Amino acid sequence: GDSVTQMEGPVTLSEEAFLTINCTYTATGYPSLFWYVQYPGEGLQLLLKATKADDKGSNKGFEATYRKETTSFHLEKGSVQVSDSAVYFCALGSLKTSYDKVIFGPGTSLSVIP
Amino acid sequence: AAGVIQSPRHLIKEKRETATLKCYPIPRHDTVYWYQQGPGQDPQFLISFYEKMQSDKGSIPDRFSAQQFSDYHSELNMSSLELGDSALYFCASSSSGGLGETQYFGPGTRLLVL
Repeated sequence: GDSVTQMEGPVTLSEEAFLTINCTYTATGYPSLFWYVQYPGEGLQLLLKATKADDKGSNKGFEATYRKETTSFHLEKGSVQVSDSAVYFCALGSLKTSYDKVIFGPGTSLSVIP
Repeated sequence: AAGVIQSPRHLIKEKRETATLKCYPIPRHDTVYWYQQGPGQDPQFLISFYEKMQSDKGSIPDRFSAQQFSDYHSELNMSSLELGDSALYFCASSSSGGLGETQYFGPGTRLLVL
C-alpha cells in the first residue's frame, strides 16, 4: 500500500544552519505530496505542497521539489531559526479512492538551538 | 480566514465511558476526515465523509462511530473507552470530495482516558 518514509530524528541544528529532511514515498499513480508541521502542543499546519512531478512547494523559507524519478520530496531550508523547532511530517494524498486520505510519515523532530 | 473548529479541545474520561468529539469544517468544505495521533506517533486515518455519506474507512475501532450532518459538521462517537484511546484526535476538511484537494486540519481534541 501507499506509504511515506522520513529520516529518523531527532535532528538538532544551530541557528542559521542548513536543513534537509529526507522523505521518500511509495504510491500508486501520482499523489499530491505535503509537508505538515506540528509545533509543540499544537495541531497540524500545512507547510507546503506539490501536486505533480517537478513542482516545487515553498513557504516561510522552506522548499521541497516533487521528484517522480526518485519518489522523493525532501524538505530544505537555507537558514533555520529557533522558531522552526517542531515536528515535521511528510505526507501524501492517497489516490486509492476518489476521496483522498492523507498518509503521514513517522515525523521528524527538529530542535534549533541558539 | 476561518479554520476548522474542533470541540472540546481537551477531554478527560474514565475507562468504559463514552465521548463525543465535534468538528466544524471550513465554510463550503464538504468533506471531513478524522485522524488519531497517539503519543509520539504520526496521525492515522480513521474515517471520512463526503456530502454526509461515509467515503472511506481506515483503522477505526468498531467501538467508534461517526457521522456528518446536513450543515457538514461531523461528530466522532467513542464508546467503551479504553486507556489506549488516549490520543490527539484531528479533524480535517477539504472541498469537492477531497480528490486532489488540500486537507486543512483543526487544532485537535486531546483525549485522556484514565
